Amino acid sequence: DAKTTQPTSMDCAEGRAANLPCNHSTISGNEYVYWYRQIHSQGPQYIIHGLKNNETNEMASLIITEDRKSSTLILPHATLRDTAVYYCIVRVSPSNAGNMLTFGGGTRLMVKP
Amino acid sequence: GAGVSQSPRYKVAKRGQDVALRCDPISGHVSLFWYQQALGQGPEFLTYFQNEAQLDKSGLPSDRFFAERPEGSVSTLKIQRTQQEDSAVYLCASSWFLTGGPDTQYFGPGTRLTVL
Repeated sequence: DAKTTQPTSMDCAEGRAANLPCNHSTISGNEYVYWYRQIHSQGPQYIIHGLKNNETNEMASLIITEDRKSSTLILPHATLRDTAVYYCIVRVSPSNAGNMLTFGGGTRLMVKP
Repeated sequence: GAGVSQSPRYKVAKRGQDVALRCDPISGHVSLFWYQQALGQGPEFLTYFQNEAQLDKSGLPSDRFFAERPEGSVSTLKIQRTQQEDSAVYLCASSWFLTGGPDTQYFGPGTRLTVL
C-alpha cells in the first residue's frame, strides 16, 4: 500500500470547517483513500473513503485531486467532539485476503471553543 | 445492533503471566483483525481471520502471541509469559468481506494491557 504524509497536528475553531490534508504521491490506480479517526480512549472509527471522485456523507467530505496524489478531508462545521487523531490510509480494496489497515502517525486535530 | 465488543477493557498482568483477550465481532462479519497500539502510535496489524481460518499472522511479534477464532465468530488473542514491552492497547476490528468492493473495518474499544 502507498505511503501517506499528514501534518502532525492542527487546530480548528469550533463551528468552522476543518480541512485535513494528506499526500499520497505514490498511489496506484487501484488504491482507495480511506479516512479513520480515533477519539481518545476509543477504537478507530471509519469516516469516509474514495477512489477518484469526491465523496460526501453525513460525517465529512473527501476531496481527491485529479492526479490522485493528494486529498483533503473536510469537516464542514467542527465541534469539540471532533477532537481526535485523523488517519489517512491508502489501500488496495479489495485485495487478497488480509485487507489490513496500515496506519501512519495521523493528524491530531484540536477543536477549540 | 451492537458493535464490536472487547473484554476486558483493562488488564493488569505481572510479567510472566499469561493473558487472554476476547473479541466479539459484529454478527455476520466474515473478517476479523487484531491490531496492537503502543502509546502515542497508530495501530499496527497483528493477525487476520476469514471465518475460522487464520490467513495472515505476519504481524504477531513473537511466538508468545497466539490468536484463534474456532467457530468463526468470537476470537481470543492470547499472550504467554507477558513482558513489559507487551503493554499496549489491543484492538479488534471486523468487516463484511465483499468480493469486488471496498470493505469497512469496524473497531472495538480495545483492551488496555499493562504489564508490571
